[in-house]
Amino acid sequence: SAVISQKPSRDICQRGTSLTIQCQVDSQVTMMFWYRQQPGQSLTLIATANQGSEATYESGFVIDKFPISRPNLTFSTLTVSNMSPEDSSIYLCSVEDGPNTQYFGPGTRLTVL
Amino acid sequence: GENVEQHPSTLSVQEGDSAVIKCTYSDSASNYFPWYKQELGKRPQLIIDIRSNVGEKKDQRIAVTLNKTAKHFSLHITETQPEDSAVYFCAASIESGSQGNLIFGKGTKLSVKP
Repeated sequence: SAVISQKPSRDICQRGTSLTIQCQVDSQVTMMFWYRQQPGQSLTLIATANQGSEATYESGFVIDKFPISRPNLTFSTLTVSNMSPEDSSIYLCSVEDGPNTQYFGPGTRLTVL
Repeated sequence: GENVEQHPSTLSVQEGDSAVIKCTYSDSASNYFPWYKQELGKRPQLIIDIRSNVGEKKDQRIAVTLNKTAKHFSLHITETQPEDSAVYFCAASIESGSQGNLIFGKGTKLSVKP
């Protein structure tokens, strides 16, 4: 399966600031996704990162809060904007490597004070 | 939209016993059902998956069964070992080739006691 890395692995941020998370894959993939996993909870899809076009957001998530870039087939970024303590979560990217088969990156643990 | 229910939320077994985790889904169009294992502080790892054209799939000590009529699928782990202790998530999606919207269950925390 594809090797996926994320930066940063963790960060502590102040309320009102923004953080950009990077996801890098070692091979070209068509589909990349961003998920949020709140402490002790399940995974919730934020959006599908589309290469060459705007991301597709799930209900409850908006572009102004979670802008996403996908400049090529191996890289994507997720920005968490104007952060509040409620944004404290693990953010994971995933890639589709095979029909509907998703593999996850190591995650970024975000704490907002 | 799709809704996935997962039971139990916690499961404790003795080493060597079997463990079964069950999930139900609501959207009859769903046709892809993966299972992920997440150890503490680590990423979810795909351990097995099943598509709607088969009823059962095995990989060593792990098996998954699917009942499309009843809209439920289950993970079976035999001869459990302490390293099987983790949170297990089921998921469902429609394999459409356009978007892979995996809808996850809430997870089952499995503890295997030596």
